Amino acid sequence: QKEVEQNSGPLSVPEGAIASLNCTYSDRGSQSFFWYRQYSGKSPELIMSIYSNGDKEDGRFTAQLNKASQYVSLLIRDSQPSDSATYLCAVTNSGYALNFGKGTSLLVTP
Amino acid sequence: ETGVTQSPTHLIKTRGQQVTLRCSSQSGHNTVSWYQQALGQGPQFIFQYYREEENGRGNFPPRFSGLQFPNYSSELNVNALELDDSALYLCASSSGAGPLGEQYFGPGTRLTVT
Repeated sequence: QKEVEQNSGPLSVPEGAIASLNCTYSDRGSQSFFWYRQYSGKSPELIMSIYSNGDKEDGRFTAQLNKASQYVSLLIRDSQPSDSATYLCAVTNSGYALNFGKGTSLLVTP
Repeated sequence: ETGVTQSPTHLIKTRGQQVTLRCSSQSGHNTVSWYQQALGQGPQFIFQYYREEENGRGNFPPRFSGLQFPNYSSELNVNALELDDSALYLCASSSGAGPLGEQYFGPGTRLTVT
C-alpha cells in the first residue's frame, strides 16, 4: 500500500503567523502533488498543485516539493481564522487515482 | 464552487439495501472519479470513468459499480449495503486534457447505513 503521511494535529497558530503543513509519501514514482482544504462538513477544495521540485507560490500559499526526500509541504502566510480547516495532501503516479493522507487539522486563533 | 454537482445530499439506507448516487461533472470535463471518505480519514479512491469506460479502480469490492453517460455524468451503485459503507461519497471531475491528476470535487453525498 502506497502511503501518504501527515501529522493529524491539531496545529495551532496565532492569527498573522505562518502555518507550515507537512506531508511525506512512499511511492517514488509519484508525479503530481496536491493540497486540498476541507472545512468541517464540506468537500475538499483544491488549493495548490505542484509537479516539479522547488517552490510554487499562489497568493498567501506556497507549496514546496522535494522528490529526493519524498516530502511536500504547504506554507500559509499571514494565517487567518478563516484558514482553520483540515488540509489534505494528495499524491498520484497514475493521473487518475489520488492517494490522500488523513489530513492535518489547522486552527488559527485570533 | 467547482460546478460539480451531486445528488442526493443525504441518504439513509438499511443494511442489505442498494443505493445509487449521481454526479454531474464540471463543464468541459470528461473524466469522473469517485471517492469514499470515512469520518476522520482522507478520501479513498473507488474508481474513475473516462469517456464512459472504467479507467482505474481502487481496492473496493465488486458490489461497488459505476457508469458514465455520454454527457459525462456518472452514477455510483452500491449493492448489499454494509454498516461500514456509511461515509461521505465524493465525486471529482477532471479534464483529460488538463494538468495531470488535477481533480475538482462536488459537495458529496452523506450515506448512513443502519
